[in-house]
This record gives sequence, structure tokens and C-alpha cells, in this order.
Amino acid sequence: AQRVTQPEKLLSVFKGAPVELKCNYSYSGSPELFWYVQYSRQRLQLLLRHISRESIKGFTADLNKGETSFHLKKPFAQEEDSAMYYCALSNNAGNMLTFGGGTRLMVKP
Amino acid sequence: DAGITQSPRHKVTETGTPVTLRCHQTENHRYMYWYRQDPGHGLRLIHYSYGVKDTDKGEVSDGYSVSRSKTEDFLLTLESATSSQTSVYFCAIRGSGLGTYEQYFGPGTRLTVT
Repeated sequence: AQRVTQPEKLLSVFKGAPVELKCNYSYSGSPELFWYVQYSRQRLQLLLRHISRESIKGFTADLNKGETSFHLKKPFAQEEDSAMYYCALSNNAGNMLTFGGGTRLMVKP
Repeated sequence: DAGITQSPRHKVTETGTPVTLRCHQTENHRYMYWYRQDPGHGLRLIHYSYGVKDTDKGEVSDGYSVSRSKTEDFLLTLESATSSQTSVYFCAIRGSGLGTYEQYFGPGTRLTVT
């Protein structure tokens, strides 16, 4: 069975500080991982997909298969980054996503 | 927003009543999903569909049924609503294209069962 764990329910940092939101997964196949962001009372938006190796809004995430992790990082947090962040794992068939419990990021001025 | 709408956006209903939520998409996507979002649980899959009249259960399907008679509409029915079904419900579609596994979400329906 596949599982995604986000160990921190809440992460609070000051503006300009580095941010790392943790995501660990368990999956026997080849993982396809994503980060989603949800701003207050809005729909979930796709932030990053690991296969693209892209940087969106200054965020990056690297897949570490040895540690089964896909942590989301940003060197300098902004107040507008305050939101809920979800890590998600796709099965090999690509027809199901498993989500972590989410981490609320609060960036203080 | 991938052309996904949900209706209603908010609903308050009483325990024991049936409730139907609608998800509508305009881009002919094959896969559609219903999730519920609860604090501490993230998003949990209720049911999904892989075509007209083709549906399957997710992680938390008890007390829910779905139907898909047209490509563009995916309905979620709570047969007899309970307070434990108070939640925010999100519909999603899977993106198109080879190797596309990501999903795109609707705006959500906030359901309160009193």
C-alpha cells in the first residue's frame, strides 16, 4: 500500500527565512510525486511535479529515493506563501493519488 | 481551473436526508474523482470514474455513491447524510496527455450536516 506522511501539521517562520516542508512516502513502485498548495478557502493548485524538476514561485523539491523523501524548499519565505501544502503520490497506473495530511505554513512579517 | 465547477458551493442539510453534489467539466477528461478534505486527514478519495458508467471505490466510500451518465458530469450522493459527513468535498480531473498523472481540482463544496 502506498502512504504519504507529512510530519508537521504547522510550520511557522519569519519572512525571509528558509522553509522546508517535509514529505516522506512509502511505495514499492517507481514514485511520481507532486506538491499542491491551497490558499485560504480556495481550490488546490498544482505547485510542483518531481518529474519536471521545475521551480515555481521559488519553491523546489528533490526526490530522494534512498530516504524516500520529497521535501519542499524555498530559500526566502514570503508572507504570500502562507497556505496549506499537500504532498501527493501517484500509483504506477497514474489513476490514483494518495495525499499526505498537509502542512500549514505561516509566514510571519 | 481546467474547466471544473461544482454545485452547490455550500449546503446545510439535516441528518438522514439524501444529498447530491455535482461536478461538471468542460474539457472531456476521462478520469474524474471525488475527495473529502478534513483537518489532519488531508484529502481522502471517496470514488472515482474512468469513463461513462465506469466507477470504482476509493479509501472512504462507505455511505457514498456516484454516477456518471455523461462525460462531463460526475455526481456524488450521500444516501442518508450523517454528521460525520460534514466536510469539504472536492472534485478533480486527471490531466490529459501521455504520462500525465497530476490532477486538477474544482473549487469545493462545503457541506454541513446538522
